[in-house]
Amino acid sequence: DAGVIQSPRHEVTEMGQEVTLRCKPISGHNSLFWYRQTMMRGLELLIYFNNNVPIDDSGMPEDRFSAKMPNASFSTLKIQPSEPRDSAVYFCASSSGTGGTEAFFGQGTRLTVV
Amino acid sequence: GESVGLHLPTLSVQEGDNSIINCAYSNSASDYFIWYKQESGKGPQFIIDIRSNMDKRQGQRVTVLLNKTVKHLSLQIAATQPGDSAVYFCAENNGNTGKLIFGQGTTLQVKP
Repeated sequence: DAGVIQSPRHEVTEMGQEVTLRCKPISGHNSLFWYRQTMMRGLELLIYFNNNVPIDDSGMPEDRFSAKMPNASFSTLKIQPSEPRDSAVYFCASSSGTGGTEAFFGQGTRLTVV
Repeated sequence: GESVGLHLPTLSVQEGDNSIINCAYSNSASDYFIWYKQESGKGPQFIIDIRSNMDKRQGQRVTVLLNKTVKHLSLQIAATQPGDSAVYFCAENNGNTGKLIFGQGTTLQVKP
């Protein structure tokens, strides 16, 4: 298996633009997580899905952030409009259960908003 | 509320020595714990896990200890090598909710 695949690896955008981050989880995994990593806050859980349904989005910072999982093999995290403070590395992870199993991480998307 | 915190941000050890990285958690409902290693430019990688019905688990050169009484988790790395230099995160999981929450991370520096 190729593991969790995220795209793009790097994204530079101007403030106010829409940004879409993409994730392909490991085949057969039914839980998907989106994290944001910064030096100040570490790894923050933004949202996670189970069987394509959002279970907990309490970590989504504000309405500018939205996430979807239209099917078991694809998820998106969208920021609209983007702001410089959104600059971070965004990770997607997937696991094979609702809990009690390890999550496998993608390589991350480094987002820079200028 | 839920929180997972690490005691020290940076740990520097001599190559060949043993390393101990500590972690405190506050959610007594957490029943599964994981240690991850993150190298520069990469996503976190699984090292070892432990369930709440255990207090110790060993892997290859790594041991995780869980003390539920004081809500403390530690990762021990034997004979630390330069390749062990990375940031280490503990994470807790509540089996009922499925949430996987990470601590702040400890940077391990191995001196040759």
